[in-house]
Amino acid sequence: RKEVEQDPGPFNVPEGATVAFNCTYSNSASQSFFWYRQDCRKEPKLLMSVYSSGNEDGRFTAQLNRASQYISLLIRDSKLSDSATYLCVVPNQAGTALIFGKGTTLSVSS
Amino acid sequence: EPEVTQTPSHQVTQMGQEVILRCVPISNHLYFYWYRQILGQKVEFLVSFYNNEISEKSEIFDDQFSVERPDGSNFTLKIRSTKLEDSAMYFCASSEGLTGGEYEQYFGPGTRLTVT
Repeated sequence: RKEVEQDPGPFNVPEGATVAFNCTYSNSASQSFFWYRQDCRKEPKLLMSVYSSGNEDGRFTAQLNRASQYISLLIRDSKLSDSATYLCVVPNQAGTALIFGKGTTLSVSS
Repeated sequence: EPEVTQTPSHQVTQMGQEVILRCVPISNHLYFYWYRQILGQKVEFLVSFYNNEISEKSEIFDDQFSVERPDGSNFTLKIRSTKLEDSAMYFCASSEGLTGGEYEQYFGPGTRLTVT
């Protein structure tokens, strides 16, 4: 299994749709997980942190399944401004580095 | 809101030249990082730095690379003899504590390095 693997995408959805991204990770000892958002040619920006079974922030919900080593990100009521690449990110074992997935591209259209 | 800053935003250099990329981490953060992203590829870890020494480095971070915290605010990445394949976006990041311990990393806007 690759260190961090994500849905390849792209996801093309209309405004108002609900969309979910999946991510699997290989390090079973990982305790924290992150979803970052990256706009074209910009820096990754932290969207959500996940330390227990899940986290919710407005329209965004992240869920963690430790047994399956699987993280998901759910976006409800998609907005045009949600169009971006969503990066699943897991720290290395020592916590000294972040390991990034390749990202899933979301395009929301009107 | 505190943020990580980086200069320059874009650097063009000739193959074989030395470049220094500069970063100012968030002021109360203790851990500093460099990542790179080649166009169209994923973000890759280069090096982490804590207490004035390297705490982790990847296979990419070979002898051509070095990092330094020359004063209380700046954190630099030096590439001694640039190669064409060093062309990438270089991101600096910082965190209050170790990322595995529930501390998040915050990224600067990046320096786009173009080696010709």
